[in-house]
Order: sequence, then C-alpha cells, then structure tokens
Amino acid sequence: DGGITQSPKYLFRKEGQNVTLSCEQNLNHDAMYWYRQDPGQGLRLIYYSQIVNDFQKGDIAEGYSVSREKKESFPLTVTSAQKNPTAFYLCASSVYASGGYEQYFGPGTRLTVT
Amino acid sequence: SQQGEEDPQALSIQEGENATMNCSYKTSINNLQWYRQNSGRGLVHLILIRSNEREKHSGRLRVTLDTSKKSSSLLITASRAADTASYFCATDANVWFGTSGSRLTFGEGTQLTVNP
Repeated sequence: DGGITQSPKYLFRKEGQNVTLSCEQNLNHDAMYWYRQDPGQGLRLIYYSQIVNDFQKGDIAEGYSVSREKKESFPLTVTSAQKNPTAFYLCASSVYASGGYEQYFGPGTRLTVT
Repeated sequence: SQQGEEDPQALSIQEGENATMNCSYKTSINNLQWYRQNSGRGLVHLILIRSNEREKHSGRLRVTLDTSKKSSSLLITASRAADTASYFCATDANVWFGTSGSRLTFGEGTQLTVNP
C-alpha cells in the first residue's frame, strides 16, 4: 500500500452522525484523491486535490466534504446528508512516471452506517 | 456504458495457465493503466501504456493497446494462486489537473481466481 495510511480500517457509525476518515501520505505527492467503492463495483471519484488549500468535486461529492491544510493529509468527512454512506473508501495520491500519472492507494476504510 | 469496461467480469483458471482480460473504452485517451486489488485491500498499480504504444511488458504481464478499437488487454502468463485478485483498467482521458495529477476513470473490474 505504499506510503499512504488510512485509519481506521473499519468504522461503524449511527445514521445522522458525521464521520471523518483519515488519509496521510509520506510520498511528497501533490495530488490526492478520494474514491468510493461499492461491492463488485469500480471506483467512483468523490473529491480530489492538486495542492494544499485547493480541492475539487468529483463525480459523487454530494454529502461529503474534504480539507487539505497540509500536503501530507487529506481527510474526508462523510456527513449525515450522504444518503447511502456504507461503502469502502479509498484514498490515493499520484506521481508522474512512465508517461502518465500513476496512483498509489491506501489500504482503505470500510464504513458501516446503521 | 462506462469508460473502461472489463471483460470478462469473472475468470477462473488453473495455476500455470494464462489469463487474459480485456478493457474497452469510449473516448480518446492519453494513457491506460491496469491495477490489481486483493480482497478488501487498496489498489496496486501494475502497468501504464501510453496512447502511442501498442504493447508493453512487465515481468509476467503483457499489455496491448489498440486505439483504433478503443480496447486493451492484460495477459498474465504462467498464473499463480497469488494472482487471485480483481483487476481494473483505468483510462486517463487527458483531463489534466495541471502539473500535479490526472483524473482516472476506472472500470468495474475482472475477478480472477487461480486455482492451485
């Protein structure tokens, strides 16, 4: 899983509560990403950040928020407005290599909301 | 249909056999990448092939790209039980973020099972 850590591995929350997922990288990468993965599905982009204090919405940003106050950290908050938050969440960063930007992923956080 | 669709959805083979997975996409791309995901884990980058390349090798992996057909294939030779995983193609359609990254669109993956 490279130099990206995500915590915790498993997270359980009650409906109506906000929850923050941690993502830290020591790879000195500028760009970072958050994805959501549902069972048997591919990855869908939630938010991405190119640089500190800058971030953009991806395809499914509704009900989520992020911050990028440090280069190493890109936390994701799942708010109570997210209608179906139970999923596997993956954080990634990218570096230019071999003619394109390759992404490095963390181990993921499995969030269950009941 | 999504950009980056893998075929087949699932593949089961015996150890030692070759495994071939295919990926189709719809728009023009800058490059195409393949990733592996073991169950419950993060994705691991395997190989990147640029739009001006037709074939690339890395160890037991061989990737081809046909931009006229908008398709790619991943061949794993002499498969091992440890190759059991989901394999995803991801397309970089040149939606640049600037100079720090690029947006990838992932397919839904092929689940490969290699039986000992």
